[in-house]
Parts: sequence; C-alpha cells; structure tokens
Amino acid sequence: QKEVEQNSGPLSVPEGAIASLNCTYSDRGSQSFFWYRQYSGKSPELIMFIYSNGDKEDGRFTAQLNKASQYVSLLIRDSQPSDSATYLCAVLYGSSNTGKLIFGQGTTLQVKP
Amino acid sequence: EADIYQTPRYLVIGTGKKITLECSQTMGHDKMYWYQQDPGMELHLIHYSYGVNSTEKGDLSSESTVSRIRTEHFPLTLESARPSHTSQYLCASSESRTSGRSSTDTQYFGPGTRLTVL
Repeated sequence: QKEVEQNSGPLSVPEGAIASLNCTYSDRGSQSFFWYRQYSGKSPELIMFIYSNGDKEDGRFTAQLNKASQYVSLLIRDSQPSDSATYLCAVLYGSSNTGKLIFGQGTTLQVKP
Repeated sequence: EADIYQTPRYLVIGTGKKITLECSQTMGHDKMYWYQQDPGMELHLIHYSYGVNSTEKGDLSSESTVSRIRTEHFPLTLESARPSHTSQYLCASSESRTSGRSSTDTQYFGPGTRLTVL
C-alpha cells in the first residue's frame, strides 16, 4: 500500500461546478496535510494545509480532514478553466522538526468551458 | 512566501560530465530538499537537510550528492551524468508555521531544473 494515495484521474468537470479531489494516507499518526497545485511543466505551489479534523476554507478552496478514516479532500467551488492542473496531496510523516513530506501521485483536473 | 531560486533552469549535457545544480533561498529556512520528478509522475525525495552540515538521503536512491555549507545554499552534484539522470529536479525549503497552538512545516518549491543527458 502506498503511503499517500490519490486517483490519478483525469477528473473532468464543467466550468462553474464543484471539483472534489480525494486522498488517503496510511500513517494514522500523521498530523499535517497539504494540497499543492502543479501546472504542466511547472513546480508545485502550495494551496493550503490542514491539521485539524473538519473543514478549512480559503476562498474557493475547502480542505476536509477526517483522521479516523485517514482521508483528506480538497473541494474547489466555481471551478475555472485556470484550475486545470495536477493537484498533489502531501502528508507529513514524523514530527514537525524531523518529518518528511510524502506526496501522492497527484490527480489531474480538467475544467471544461 | 519563500524566495527560492534554481539554476540553470534547463541543462542539456553529454554523458560522463560532472554537473552541479544550484539552489538558493533567501528566507533563512533551515530545512531544504531535493526532489526528482519525471513528466506526469510522482515527486520523489532524493536528499534533504535540516541545517548547515546536515544532509540525508531521501526515499529514492540517487547517484547524486549534496552539501550544505551555508544555510541559504543547497547544491546537488552528479559526478558523471548518464541518460538515466534525465529528469526534472526540484528544490524546496520549508519553514515552521504556527496557527493557534499548532505548528507545521510548509514547503515551498523553486522553479526546477530540467536536465537532459544525451
């Protein structure tokens, strides 16, 4: 079992719809979770991080964390064609000072006009 | 947001050459990382450092080496490049961010170096 798993997609949604991206992780002790966006040929850029159960909202983005189910998701409201990219889920394994960030393979999102 | 720089951005080189990929950050972050990523594939951690004179190998076996003599600088060296080293190399640095009573490490990435070994 991979440490961080994502459906590679592509996930295709129409413009204006809600895109839902999912991620599961194997280490029950993990405390910090991150979502990055990566455009083709570019480096990853941080969208948001979450460490408490529940929802965290930032503009059109909402991260949801369920530690009991070892599940973290990212919702993108009012999806735009500019949101088309690969979304990487990352989980911090170990402590904040000495841990390593483990990335999932990424989910490709296509937002169609 | 971190200011993190990588040079060169693109490099095409012949087999057997020694190369050094540069990475610098101006935010004073203690932790720095090197990742390797093939097109459309996962990020793989190849080296990391938690501070000056600290370097560790990552999860993916790599023939490269790194050094950390200064906080802001984390170069990666390939002694003898081979076609199998062709890939995108991404450098990152991280800071601890606190929100309420919790803190977490947040990594920021440089623009990457796309290496092609002929």
